[in-house]
Amino acid sequence: EAGVAQSPRYKIIEKRQSVAFWCNPISGHATLYWYQQILGQGPKLLIQFQNNGVVDDSQLPKDRFSAERLKGVDSTLKIQPAKLEDSAVYLCASKDYRIEQFFGPGTRLTVL
Amino acid sequence: QKEVEQDPGPLSVPEGAIVSLNCTYSNSAFQYFMWYRQYSRKGPELLMYTYSSGNKEDGRFTAQVDKSSKYISLFIRDSQPSDSATYLCAMGNTGANNLFFGTGTRLTVIP
Repeated sequence: EAGVAQSPRYKIIEKRQSVAFWCNPISGHATLYWYQQILGQGPKLLIQFQNNGVVDDSQLPKDRFSAERLKGVDSTLKIQPAKLEDSAVYLCASKDYRIEQFFGPGTRLTVL
Repeated sequence: QKEVEQDPGPLSVPEGAIVSLNCTYSNSAFQYFMWYRQYSRKGPELLMYTYSSGNKEDGRFTAQVDKSSKYISLFIRDSQPSDSATYLCAMGNTGANNLFFGTGTRLTVIP
């Protein structure tokens, strides 16, 4: 079974630039999550999708972050404009009806 | 107060030692408790989970939950260098379907 795929793996941008991350979940997984993991901290949920609908985006800074999951499969997370404090690893996870969330390798973002 | 508190370490032990990792939580609504392992530059992977108070064993790993004290632990017996990683506790409830993570404890097992 293929795991959760994410790209790019690394990204370096300057502040005020925009950036997009892509996630391809495990086939058949209806639920998809984006987490932000700042260095030395645990993952923090940004947004949760069920198929192509948003379940929870209460922690998403909507003035600069946006996410979509067209057709209920792949998802993209965008930051525009980026700030220094957005430097983090962005993790995508997916799950089916069971409890376990499967995580991708993450995208490491550095904002200069 | 954070909903989940975890000592960040780092923790360094010799090979073969017993390791104890701990988390406390404040939200009594949490129904399930998980331990994830995260190797450097990788995503977290699930080690164990449990719904109830008490112990759950899986090979060298034992998860312990005390709901009355809002305290969970992960014990690793006969620790190996390959156990060197960051261990994250996570909790949630079935209604919300999302997880609340601790900060993670970085463990190094020295050969």
